[in-house]
Amino acid sequence: GAGVSQTPSNKVTEKGKYVELRCDPISGHTALYWYRQSLGQGPEFLIYFQGTGAADDSGLPNDRFFAVRPEGSVSTLKIQRTERGDSAVYLCASSRTRNTEAFFGQGTRLTVV
Amino acid sequence: QKEVEQDPGPLSVPEGAIVSLNCTYSNSAFQYFMWYRQYSRKGPELLMYTYSSGNKEDGRFTAQVDKSSKYISLFIRDSQPSDSATYLCAVPTGRRALTFGSGTRLQVQP
Repeated sequence: GAGVSQTPSNKVTEKGKYVELRCDPISGHTALYWYRQSLGQGPEFLIYFQGTGAADDSGLPNDRFFAVRPEGSVSTLKIQRTERGDSAVYLCASSRTRNTEAFFGQGTRLTVV
Repeated sequence: QKEVEQDPGPLSVPEGAIVSLNCTYSNSAFQYFMWYRQYSRKGPELLMYTYSSGNKEDGRFTAQVDKSSKYISLFIRDSQPSDSATYLCAVPTGRRALTFGSGTRLQVQP
């Protein structure tokens, strides 16, 4: 596609439920990043993939958060036992290689009620 | 101390004004400095980046880095209502992930 695509654009879930957020990067981009942006804050790094492997997952806040990229393209961010504090916009970005400009998707707005 | 700090604003200016947006950073080893623009309900988009100290100009936008004071600035000349957005400074940290400031919300009044 022309840009990074994230689905769904909005997700409302109940506390304690499991959610999956999907990211379709720009075709051919090997690097993929997930960030979380709370209201009035800048994006905070969660995890970085180079190809299929997670090269840096140091930003994941706890073991309820997990992300995969099994074929080196689409990535899924998975959140178990959601909490109200998980409410935020989850942004995905991709870049051609790890040292080039990253392009962001429009984000998934997650609301935990 | 946060790695990158930014005045959250909001900043409201009349059309045509010169806008100055600023960040400070803590690690003197940082070499690349970026400015992103984020419109409401959109993802950030890269506006400009600079390497090391000095100025970089692109149209109405000028990015400036002062490494002696660990201060980075973005200047917008002849500001337009279409410049209304949140501006985020960022530095690459870790394995090329970005650390962002909290963003400054700018409103340019027509």
